[in-house]
Amino acid sequence: DAGVTQSPTHLIKTRGQQVTLRCSPKSGHDTVSWYQQALGQGPQFIFQYYEEEERQRGNFPDRFSGHQFPNYSSELNVNALLLGDSALYLCASSLGTSGRRVGYEQYFGPGTRLTVT
Amino acid sequence: AQSVAQPEDQVNVAEGNPLTVKCTYSVSGNPYLFWYVQYPNRGLQFLLKYITGDNLVKGSYGFEAEFNKSQTSFHLKKPSALVSDSALYFCAVRGRDTGFQKLVFGTGTRLLVSP
Repeated sequence: DAGVTQSPTHLIKTRGQQVTLRCSPKSGHDTVSWYQQALGQGPQFIFQYYEEEERQRGNFPDRFSGHQFPNYSSELNVNALLLGDSALYLCASSLGTSGRRVGYEQYFGPGTRLTVT
Repeated sequence: AQSVAQPEDQVNVAEGNPLTVKCTYSVSGNPYLFWYVQYPNRGLQFLLKYITGDNLVKGSYGFEAEFNKSQTSFHLKKPSALVSDSALYFCAVRGRDTGFQKLVFGTGTRLLVSP
């Protein structure tokens, strides 16, 4: 049973560029959340996708956008990169919020380390 | 607003001794609480959760946590520490008042178990 996978593992970009990160959820999961973990910090919630829609968003600017595909995989896009966007980006998957399934834990992928120079 | 506090940046314990990693939380209503562990250059690995019921929750690798509603705490414990337990530990909370699953994490506590 494959867990959460993310690609690429590492990425180096220049300020002002755009980046796309990818995530495939754990088998059987339909909800994907993205988190940013800066060095020495806990993960910060970016947004969550369920049924191909953004359901909840954290305190991140519109430069951060995402998408969920019919197979539940997801992309995180960041435009106009800033030095402060350098971080580990974590994808987490879980079962959807159908009312009966709240409380399920999120399973995290290994992350994508983004360095902006 | 939800928040989590992990008051200790680092906890040092000798192998074989019991360990405790502290966590307090703030949330409207009853919480869902989670502990995750992170090894170097890795993602977060789920350890255990409190949803409802028994205040003592048992999880992976011999870890357990005690939910204390009056003290709004959810401390992680293990009776006998192993060197391999050395890692970064995160406590997380989400409220029950929404069907969505945003997790709010603490800043993490580094556990160092010495031989």
